[in-house]
Amino acid sequence: GAVVSQHPSRVICKSGTSVKIECRSLDFQATTMFWYRQFPKQSLMLMATSNEGSKATYEQGVEKDKFLINHASLTLSTLTVTSAHPEDSSFYICSASRDRENEQFFGPGTRLTVL
Amino acid sequence: QKEVEQNSGPLSVPEGAIASLNCTYSDRGSQSFFWYRQYSGKSPELIMFIYSNGDKEDGRFTAQLNKASQYVSLLIRDSQPSDSATYLCAATAYSSASKIIFGSGTRLSIRP
Repeated sequence: GAVVSQHPSRVICKSGTSVKIECRSLDFQATTMFWYRQFPKQSLMLMATSNEGSKATYEQGVEKDKFLINHASLTLSTLTVTSAHPEDSSFYICSASRDRENEQFFGPGTRLTVL
Repeated sequence: QKEVEQNSGPLSVPEGAIASLNCTYSDRGSQSFFWYRQYSGKSPELIMFIYSNGDKEDGRFTAQLNKASQYVSLLIRDSQPSDSATYLCAATAYSSASKIIFGSGTRLSIRP
């Protein structure tokens, strides 16, 4: 159990366009979902934490108007990168946790390349 | 800024030997600690978690926690080439138990 999926796994887009990434918990209800970004040879950087039905909490330095997060249900969270630029190219990973547990289950990640 | 620190490596260990990975954390309020393995181009996968002082064993892996020293380690016995990966140490943040702070990772290479 505790499987998290992400879609798409890889996306290439032009500068200035918006990209939506979906994160789903397939076999459990995720009370909290997390969005991370990872640049090559660096660790995971937490971007934001989202709870179902409420606004996401963004980490310092992450632009909430650029990285729109929606946590519409207990099994789905979306991250939209608006007006993407080449410097937004990165590996975006979501994770989900169950009620009263700190363990996070990671999705397979989405590789975003902005041309 | 609360931190989790690891030696970036690479750590090179011969096949069959014990690999020892270390991690320190600065947030004394951290309650739970995790070791994740990440292969290149893939997302992290949980190896072990520990929240009590002492050792916790699971197969070839042993996690060790010393809260007084704010130190966490992971031992991998009988290292295999498939263990070659980056190992991420992580700790929960006292300010938010659901939030995990990751270290920068240690690259482990098992040489045949």
